[in-house]
Amino acid sequence: SYELTQPPSVSVSPGQTARITCSGDALPKQYAYWYQQKPGQAPVLVIYKDSERPSGIPERFSGSSSGTTVTLTISGVQAEDEADYYCQSADSSGTHKVFGGGTKLTVL
Amino acid sequence: QITLKESGPTLVKPTQTLTLTCTFSGFSLSTSGVGVGWIRQPPGKALEWLALIYWNDDKRYSPSLKSRLTITKDTSKNQVVLTMTNMDPVDTATYYCAHSTTGYSSGPDDAFDIWGQGTMVTVSS
Repeated sequence: SYELTQPPSVSVSPGQTARITCSGDALPKQYAYWYQQKPGQAPVLVIYKDSERPSGIPERFSGSSSGTTVTLTISGVQAEDEADYYCQSADSSGTHKVFGGGTKLTVL
Repeated sequence: QITLKESGPTLVKPTQTLTLTCTFSGFSLSTSGVGVGWIRQPPGKALEWLALIYWNDDKRYSPSLKSRLTITKDTSKNQVVLTMTNMDPVDTATYYCAHSTTGYSSGPDDAFDIWGQGTMVTVSS
């Protein structure tokens, strides 16, 4: 079955830039979406269609795509950004959704 | 304002069938392009997509769980029901339902843009 691969953890100091990658063979064909999940809470959509930001999401969150890898970038990381981040996309047919394994962002 | 809420048993025994209901407001599953999906998360683990149903009754299932899942909708009640057969302790998880759309030219199309709070289901004898 199709898989999306994320690094298990990323650590940054406040004010620095965090980059979280997600790799998958179908990413050149299918959009990627990013979700933020804080402990005990439901996920929140922070990026859709690779690089679009939903209303209410701070401008420091951005997304990009290059070949089989998509990247979530958080510029000027704040303590409140500490959370788990999941990428999501679909298989090459677009029929089945899939989530990555998640990345724990730690703000040092 | 779109809201979704999951309901169902908190404890099921192995081999039993789980039935979960997602009750929503702020949108209609009879509107073209609208869908509702189910996603689960075992304690301390990653999100896993389970199923998705669209306004036109198009149903999608996780390939690895397809034989055990059934998703249905009741448009008049604003509800989506997920059943999972032959439950096992590894199915212990928080189960979420979420709103989605498809075919829209703008906005968070094909994303799970609004989520319910989730419901924890434990499988144990």
